[in-house]
Amino acid sequence: AQKITQTQPGMFVQEKEAVTLDCTYDTSDPSYGLFWYKQPSSGEMIFLIYQGSYDQQNATEGRYSLNFQKARKSANLVISASQLGDSAMYFCAMRERRTGFQKLVFGTGTRLLVSP
Amino acid sequence: GAVVSQHPSRVICKSGTSVKIECRSLDFQATTMFWYRQFPKQSLMLMATSNEGSKATYEQGVEKDKFLINHASLTLSTLTVTSAHPEDSSFYICSASSGETLTDTQYFGPGTRLTVL
Repeated sequence: AQKITQTQPGMFVQEKEAVTLDCTYDTSDPSYGLFWYKQPSSGEMIFLIYQGSYDQQNATEGRYSLNFQKARKSANLVISASQLGDSAMYFCAMRERRTGFQKLVFGTGTRLLVSP
Repeated sequence: GAVVSQHPSRVICKSGTSVKIECRSLDFQATTMFWYRQFPKQSLMLMATSNEGSKATYEQGVEKDKFLINHASLTLSTLTVTSAHPEDSSFYICSASSGETLTDTQYFGPGTRLTVL
């Protein structure tokens, strides 16, 4: 079974608009962390935002926020005021206590294209 | 954020040769380093986890003798692709973590694109 599911292979958004990238996860471990990474065409993986399973509030980092719905096991990334430089692949990932918090399991990614 | 470097960024080699890729954490000590492989337009696949001073833990299906990993210090891990073949051509990315708690972020290197002719 897929641990991390990203159902949107591609998303389009106009500059300055907000966009939501979906991520659902599957775990029976009560202690886990959820991460979002951005991968531009250059290939590097850029850490964006983190949400812990026990965090009471949704994580925010500048224009990035994470819509964490624990009961639905979803951790959607919201990018506000999109910029042309936001065009990239976006990966959702999870770490679980049962693996010693070491293994990051990635989803298949969503390619975001921001148009002028 | 923390900086992780990889060298080389791109390598082309002949079939049958070995290639070594270095991963360094530049401004922190990495107790754990990870090696991933990424095929075009696909996600990252974890190959192995290495802890400083101990043998690497390989994921199922990854050949230990083909992908040799050494984590000699808290700032350096190397991946050696032995007797490379065209099917080993891929994008290899390392990451480093300073700890093993839930909140310790993995920082990624810029990746190495390997092409085996």
